[in-house]
Order: sequence, then structure tokens, then C-alpha cells
Amino acid sequence: DAKTTQPPSMDCAEGRAANLPCNHSTISGNEYVYWYRQIHSQGPQYIIHGLKNNETNEMASLIITEDRKSSTLILPHATLRDTAVYYCIVRVAHQAGTALIFGKGTTLSVSS
Amino acid sequence: DAGVIQSPRHEVTEMGQEVTLRCKPISGHNSLFWYRQTMMRGLELLIYFNNNVPIDDSGMPEDRFSAKMPNASFSTLKIQPSEPRDSAVYFCASSFAVEGYTFGSGTRLTVV
Repeated sequence: DAKTTQPPSMDCAEGRAANLPCNHSTISGNEYVYWYRQIHSQGPQYIIHGLKNNETNEMASLIITEDRKSSTLILPHATLRDTAVYYCIVRVAHQAGTALIFGKGTTLSVSS
Repeated sequence: DAGVIQSPRHEVTEMGQEVTLRCKPISGHNSLFWYRQTMMRGLELLIYFNNNVPIDDSGMPEDRFSAKMPNASFSTLKIQPSEPRDSAVYFCASSFAVEGYTFGSGTRLTVV
């Protein structure tokens, strides 16, 4: 699976958009970009995933560059409850023989 | 849907004792994953199953660790004998096809 690079930490004011970047310059054509987050002492939570088109759900939006070498997770209106570690993971869509490997992620701190 | 259910939530045991962690995946999910999380090493994949068959156990730290999935609705992770360095939060997760993983609340293991 391709390696990802994320900033170790970011700050965001409550109510503002949080834009979390992820670099995955060695991504292959059949690899998806997955985002998870982990709120303190809880299990990781799936947020969103995409292949090449931008994706949006009730939690967030995922913007993938045209060359697919980087992506941005957008939380449109961050709240204090969005304070968490956010993980960007690149891998082939689920199939027997693969599993998600978590890196260090980005610690997002949302403050009032 | 009750989600992924792990038991116990907390376990304190003495060094040398056997520890068994339990996981009930979401009904209909065909893959199950065991992860371990510590401050030093982050979130590590230990082993995962697809259709109750172990696919990759290369993350299991040593022979003291074993995992089983006797049926689609139950899995165990056993440590025998336990050591203080096994102290961590152990997460179980399940998934189906290309959907995101659903994690349990974790078992916090303390070996004294």
C-alpha cells in the first residue's frame, strides 16, 4: 500500500472549516483514499473514502487532486467534538489479503 | 444494530496469567480485525480474518498471542502467559466488502 504523509497537528477555531491535508504521491490507480478519526479513548471511526472523484457525506467532504497524489478532508463547520486524531490511509479496496494500516495521523484541536 | 461488541471493557491481570479478549462482529460482516494500541507504537494490526479464515497473522507479536474465529459471530484473542508489556488497548473491528471498518469500544488490558 502507498505511504501517506500528514502533518502531526493542526488547530481550528470552532465553527470554521477544518482542512486536513494528506500526501500520497505513490498512490496506485486501484488504491482508494480512506479517512478515519479517533476521539480520545474510543475506537477509530470511519469517515469517508474515495477513488478519484470528490466525495461528500454527512460528516465530511473528501477532495482528491486530479493527479491523485494528495487529498484534503474538509470538516465544514468544526465543533469541539471534532477534536480527534485523523488518519489518512491509502489501500486497494477491500479484498481478502489486505487490511488497513494506520500511521500516526493528524491531531486536530478545535477550540472555542 | 449494536455495533461491534468487545468484552471485557477493562481487564487487570497478574503477569503470567492467561487473558482472553472477546469480540462479536456486526452481523453480515465477513472480515474481522484485531488491533492493539499503545502510546509508543500507535495502532497496530495484529491479525485479521476473512470468512472466519485467518488471512494474515504477521502482526501477532509472539507465540504467546493466539486468535480464533470459530464462527461468523465470535472471535477471541488470547495471551498466555501475559506480560506487563502486553498492557494496551485492544480493538476489534469488522467490515463487509468495500465498506469502512466498524470498531468496537476496545478492551483496556493492564498486566501487573
